Amino acid sequence: ETGVTQSPTHLIKTRGQQVTLRCSSQSGHNTVSWYQQALGQGPQFIFQYYREEENGRGNFPPRFSGLQFPNYSSELNVNALELDDSALYLCASSLVPGEGDGTDTQYFGPGTRLTVL
Amino acid sequence: AQSVTQLGSHVSVSEGALVLLRCNYSSSVPPYLFWYVQYPNQGLQLLLKYTSAATLVKGINGFEAEFKKSETSFHLTKPSAHMSDAAEYFCAVIKPSNTGKLIFGQGTTLQVKP
Repeated sequence: ETGVTQSPTHLIKTRGQQVTLRCSSQSGHNTVSWYQQALGQGPQFIFQYYREEENGRGNFPPRFSGLQFPNYSSELNVNALELDDSALYLCASSLVPGEGDGTDTQYFGPGTRLTVL
Repeated sequence: AQSVTQLGSHVSVSEGALVLLRCNYSSSVPPYLFWYVQYPNQGLQLLLKYTSAATLVKGINGFEAEFKKSETSFHLTKPSAHMSDAAEYFCAVIKPSNTGKLIFGQGTTLQVKP
């Protein structure tokens, strides 16, 4: 069974640039969620994708956007980068909402460390 | 609104001692609860989850947690700490059918001294 993978591992950008982060879900999972984890903090929910549609969003501005592809992989795009966007970005995959044991248990990838200078 | 409070940002124990990491939640409906562990420069690994099937939940690496509705708590314990348990631990809550929005606590760093 293949776990959740993310690329790249690390990324350095400057203010105002745009970035794309990628995630491949665990085999058998078709729902992907993205989280931002600032240094010393717990992860914060950005949004979730199911059937290639956004299926819930946290308190993040529109410059954070995403995509999900037919193979269930996903991208997180951030435009007009700000210094405060520096964080570990985590992707998590899960089964269809409400299926399995119904807990929507999420399995996380290793994350992408984004540094904005 | 749901929230999670982890009491104690840092916990230090000696190898072989009891580990107790505290988590209290707030939720308008019975939630699902999770504990995740994060090793340095890694993602989150699921330790255990509460799904309302049993109040005492056993997880990986000898950890367990007990759901206490009356105390709105879900504390994580391990009878005997090992050096490899040193990591960051996160308690998280999800409201059933809430579009996968996990709410995390601030985390507790566990230090294990030889």
